[in-house]
Amino acid sequence: SQTIHQWPATLVQPVGSPLSLECTVEGTSNPNLYWYRQAAGRGLQLLFYSVGIGQISSEVPQNLSASRPQDRQFILSSKKLLLSDSGFYLCAWSVAGEPLHFGNGTRLTVT
Amino acid sequence: GQNIDQPTEMTATEGAIVQINCTYQTSGFNGLFWYQQHAGEAPTFLSYNVLDGLEEKGRFSSFLSRSKGYSYLLLKELQMKDSASYLCGANNLFFGTGTRLTVIP
Repeated sequence: SQTIHQWPATLVQPVGSPLSLECTVEGTSNPNLYWYRQAAGRGLQLLFYSVGIGQISSEVPQNLSASRPQDRQFILSSKKLLLSDSGFYLCAWSVAGEPLHFGNGTRLTVT
Repeated sequence: GQNIDQPTEMTATEGAIVQINCTYQTSGFNGLFWYQQHAGEAPTFLSYNVLDGLEEKGRFSSFLSRSKGYSYLLLKELQMKDSASYLCGANNLFFGTGTRLTVIP
């Protein structure tokens, strides 16, 4: 069966510090991978999605970046965090036309 | 561009039926997806429509009209555990702000 791992579960980082969130999927090949952010009490904002290794589409220009170094690994990064980067970050995977499967999320607080 | 609208909050009584509406405008369309999200948790898939009409899954049903850019999620026999946010997503990429449903006794 397919599983998705996302870590860490919670993170507190000072403004200006770097960020690296990792997500890995098991049990499927060549999945579509996604990073979403959810501000408190708000909907899901699509940040990045990838349909293959090295293929990243960015939906919202900001100080975040994403990379897909392996087929089932998706990494969200920032060189310098802003206060506005605080939120609930969700990684998800899908195969074409099928529902998204979300990881448990990372709650990031930038102080 | 993408635009997805749904009500911010709704309240309904235990045992009742509630309908959560969603309107969308997208460039291209390949499906309308509904997810449930309890506070502090990740969303979980409920239902989706690719073609017009009603899809029924137990207490949950979803309807789609592509010509009107409109969908709804219908929850029957509401239970207290149905208190959650319900997210409407177009093309499994873009989501509305979510509808927070509160079920009261």
